[in-house]
Amino acid sequence: ETGVTQSPTHLIKTRGQQVTLRCSSQSGHNTVSWYQQALGQGPQFIFQYYREEENGRGNFPPRFSGLQFPNYSSELNVNALELDDSALYLCASSFGGLNEKLFFGSGTQLSVL
Amino acid sequence: DQQVKQNSPSLSVQEGRISILNCDYTNSMFDYFLWYKKYPAEGPTFLISISSIKDKNEDGRFTVFLNKSAKHLSLHIVPSQPGDSAVYFCAAFYNQGGKLIFGQGTELSVKP
Repeated sequence: ETGVTQSPTHLIKTRGQQVTLRCSSQSGHNTVSWYQQALGQGPQFIFQYYREEENGRGNFPPRFSGLQFPNYSSELNVNALELDDSALYLCASSFGGLNEKLFFGSGTQLSVL
Repeated sequence: DQQVKQNSPSLSVQEGRISILNCDYTNSMFDYFLWYKKYPAEGPTFLISISSIKDKNEDGRFTVFLNKSAKHLSLHIVPSQPGDSAVYFCAAFYNQGGKLIFGQGTELSVKP
């Protein structure tokens, strides 16, 4: 059974640039959620995709967008990067749109300079 | 508005003793509460959960207690082992929202 994998593991961007982060969900899972974890804080919900549709969104601006593909993998896109976007971005997969037990990847550490 | 709070950023315990991690919440509509454990350079790993209709759930060395009137839950680890050293996140889930709301985390250090 393959776990949740994220790429890249680390990324450095400059303010104003755009970034795409990728996630492959665990085998058999059809739901992907994205979380942002700032230093010293708990993960904060960005959005969730279930069967290729956005199924819930947290308090993040529209420049945070996502996609889910037919194989249930997912992308997180962030436009017009700001310094405060520097964080660990975590992807989590689960089965079903309303499932409290999430399986997390190791995350992508994004630094915006 | 922090709906889930872990007021202790760190906790140090001797090996073999009990570790008690605490969490408070404000929203009485949560359906489940969960604890996740995170090692450096890894994603959070599910540890144990409790439904809002229960007051205790036990799994091996880990027990979670829920006090709904106080809007408080705690995770007990007995006996604590050095491998338990990690950051522990309390999280709450409600079916209508479909998302986990995390606390800030408590870093547990178990000393040999």
